[in-house]
Amino acid sequence: DGGITQSPKYLFRKEGQNVTLSCEQNLNHDAMYWYRQDPGQGLRLIYYSQIVNDFQKGDIAEGYSVSREKKESFPLTVTSAQKNPTAFYLCASTMGPFTEAFFGQGTRLTVV
Amino acid sequence: QKEVEQDPGPLSVPEGAIVSLNCTYSNSAFQYFMWYRQYSRKGPELLMYTYSSGNKEDGRFTAQVDKSSKYISLFIRDSQPSDSATYLCAMSHSGYALNFGKGTSLLVTP
Repeated sequence: DGGITQSPKYLFRKEGQNVTLSCEQNLNHDAMYWYRQDPGQGLRLIYYSQIVNDFQKGDIAEGYSVSREKKESFPLTVTSAQKNPTAFYLCASTMGPFTEAFFGQGTRLTVV
Repeated sequence: QKEVEQDPGPLSVPEGAIVSLNCTYSNSAFQYFMWYRQYSRKGPELLMYTYSSGNKEDGRFTAQVDKSSKYISLFIRDSQPSDSATYLCAMSHSGYALNFGKGTSLLVTP
């Protein structure tokens, strides 16, 4: 089945550590996205990539980094510079502009 | 002011009721409007999308856009308990990045 796979589903991180969230898609989509969801806040865009080897900052990019070396993969690193990283992280992909965004099932990150 | 405003609810209705969910926006450059449904601890799934002002119908769902008033709505007819979820409006001007509302929590009681 085609879709977006995020792993792990739950992730615990100690303060001061970097952690990388995985996102893989087999939909052959060009564009990929990372959103953060906090209770009562809706989804906020962290980074997005329209094509391989290119990405743009979203509204809340500080403390995060990404790479897009392969079309299928768009990993997100939450660095120690992110002051409040506990949240639900959602990865999405689209075929191109103005097309349906498909979402993964999310990774819940908790800082302990 | 946020670009997209959505009442978070919660909204509770009896089974069979007509549900009206609404969002307002401030950026007149938005040209692509969507409604997503999200069940607890899951990723959102697309329900409806539209580019133009007017109504678009799909089964029990109707999406309405009024660009002159910067207002979009989603109507659910004959609501079912399985419709209980959070409904997120989203919109875009670039075609890539989506601007989401906060989501409205809906509970349909049997």
